Amino acid sequence: EVQLVESGGGLVQPGGSLRLSCAASEFIFSHYAMHWVRQAPGKGLEYVSVISSDGVTTYYANSVQGRFTISRDNSKSMLYLQMGSLRLEDMAVYYCVRGGAGIAATGTRIAVFDFWGQGTLVTVSS
Amino acid sequence: DIQMTQSPSSLSASVGDRVTITCRASQSISNYLNWYQQKPGKAPKVLIYAASSLQSGVPSRFSGSGSGTDFTFTISSLQPEDFATYYCQQSSSHPYSFGQGTKLEIK
Repeated sequence: EVQLVESGGGLVQPGGSLRLSCAASEFIFSHYAMHWVRQAPGKGLEYVSVISSDGVTTYYANSVQGRFTISRDNSKSMLYLQMGSLRLEDMAVYYCVRGGAGIAATGTRIAVFDFWGQGTLVTVSS
Repeated sequence: DIQMTQSPSSLSASVGDRVTITCRASQSISNYLNWYQQKPGKAPKVLIYAASSLQSGVPSRFSGSGSGTDFTFTISSLQPEDFATYYCQQSSSHPYSFGQGTKLEIK
């Protein structure tokens, strides 16, 4: 069974930094794009970032662009999210998500968030 | 960026009811649309991908339809375990985005 285990969450002051990690197992990590999705307390899901399977291509939500950096180490099956200049509104549970692919009836290949970690809580407070 | 708008934001229904949730994209996304279920304290789970394809292991009472900008998610006969929050999500272009969610509650 695919496993994604996040770590690194905790309490940080506004303006501070934190690095989240995600340990992946039971699948060929280097074959999949990986994502971070977050959820503020009592709120909906917010897309954060993606990194391609080879680590070359990344994208970020506008809300974190320039402050967060996604990276991966395929030799260790690890995904990371370096978060800087943290704001109160960054407080959330952060999920590590595998970017699987669904094949539609038309043959179209579509990115699907097929496996999720349990999440790690980041609290931003003074 | 593509904005996803779900309606309603909340819905009360009874076991056995048929319920429908809609999702609208701010621009055409073809069929690059997925639906997720999230229960309190748990990570989301994919139910439908590519607008209408049922994820393996998901009961057939769940279905989806639509293309372009307008999409529908339906539960044909609500079961007690279906009371949860549902999200649509587009995979057409980065950054991928979610709808704001629909909380399905017991009437």
